[in-house]
Amino acid sequence: GENVEQHPSTLSVQEGDSAVIKCTYSDSASNYFPWYKQELGKRPQLIIDIRSNVGEKKDQRIAVTLNKTAKHFSLHITETQPEDSAVYFCAASSPLKGAGSYQLTFGKGTKLSVIP
Amino acid sequence: DGGITQSPKYLFRKEGQNVTLSCEQNLNHDAMYWYRQDPGQGLRLIYYSQIVNDFQKGDIAEGYSVSREKKESFPLTVTSAQKNPTAFYLCASSPRAAQETQYFGPGTRLLVL
Repeated sequence: GENVEQHPSTLSVQEGDSAVIKCTYSDSASNYFPWYKQELGKRPQLIIDIRSNVGEKKDQRIAVTLNKTAKHFSLHITETQPEDSAVYFCAASSPLKGAGSYQLTFGKGTKLSVIP
Repeated sequence: DGGITQSPKYLFRKEGQNVTLSCEQNLNHDAMYWYRQDPGQGLRLIYYSQIVNDFQKGDIAEGYSVSREKKESFPLTVTSAQKNPTAFYLCASSPRAAQETQYFGPGTRLLVL
């Protein structure tokens, strides 16, 4: 099955600096990669996603890049703010046995702390 | 994700007891999922359902059971066979199972007395 590795597990940055979180995946059939932000005790919220037919996607201060050849994708947050502090999860969608079935496999998360 | 609700917010289980976690969605989504979240472990898939009256085991189904009698409801039962049930349980739904974005409910925290 799919295996997703996420690094680093913790990340501290000064307010205004950039943060980068990296993920690798194992199943070359995976072709949908969402990123979720989870604040303490809350539900994961989708912040950005990318499909395999594009290499980069940007939404204001957040961007995601995908390298299908190397099987890795990254989340970039620019001009970080204290409210960006949270746990971020990457995921990869890979096919299951049977037509039309897919499963999201999650990385173990990165705890981002933005220091004012 | 405001259309997915879970109850209760906290649940306490006594040893040997089965407990049921509720998940309801009014988004008209076909697919629903249950995940378990432990500290430092990310989210792990317990069960998923692509359509009413059908469900499949995920990566960690042992000690859990589900039903999908209605499109909007996907309850999870934590049985006495689950020896380490303390965790944060998240329900999610997506329009279809085929690589669609999943939206999460607020979660239920299960604690063992």
